[in-house]
Amino acid sequence: DAGITQSPRYKITETGRQVTLMCHQTWSHSYMFWYRQDLGHGLRLIYYSAAADITDKGEVPDGYVVSRSKTENFPLTLESATRSQTSVYFCAATPGAAYNEQFFGPGTRLTVL
Amino acid sequence: GESVGLHLPTLSVQEGDNSIINCAYSNSASDYFIWYKQESGKGPQFIIDIRSNMDKRQGQRVTVLLNKTVKHLSLQIAATQPGDSAVYFCAESSNRDDKIIFGKGTRLHILP
Repeated sequence: DAGITQSPRYKITETGRQVTLMCHQTWSHSYMFWYRQDLGHGLRLIYYSAAADITDKGEVPDGYVVSRSKTENFPLTLESATRSQTSVYFCAATPGAAYNEQFFGPGTRLTVL
Repeated sequence: GESVGLHLPTLSVQEGDNSIINCAYSNSASDYFIWYKQESGKGPQFIIDIRSNMDKRQGQRVTVLLNKTVKHLSLQIAATQPGDSAVYFCAESSNRDDKIIFGKGTRLHILP
């Protein structure tokens, strides 16, 4: 039972390039989330989704786009990467309300040069 | 603005001693609080939660205390082990919200 997988695990890109981070869950949990983690800021919510085709902004959505055409997948796209988007990105899912236990993926470390 | 914060960024504890990690919150409307543990190179992992109608909840070697009067919660780890070495995050939410807010984290360092 893989749970939540993220790909790639590591990515180096250049400023201005488009990058897509993938998140896949083997369950069918309704809620999915994208967080970024930076030193001194903890985990900050970028976007979340309550169900397929329903997405909403979190605390730091600027520069990011999400989609959720299937319950199992929740890709995060950086349309034009900037150095400030260098971070570790975590995807999470929870079966019920957002305040239920969230199951996190292993993270993607993204470096924007 | 509303935020969840932590008193200490790093806590060093002797192996076998009890650890206490503190957290302050400012949103009086929050009614659900959670502790997560994050080991190096991994995603956060749920430890224990507590609702605002409770002031104490116990799990396996862990206890969470909630003091609504001063908007403070704490995580107590009994008989700290090397495997407890990690960053611990508190988080808050409410049943009227679709998201939770994480604090900045406290690193727990275990001394041999």
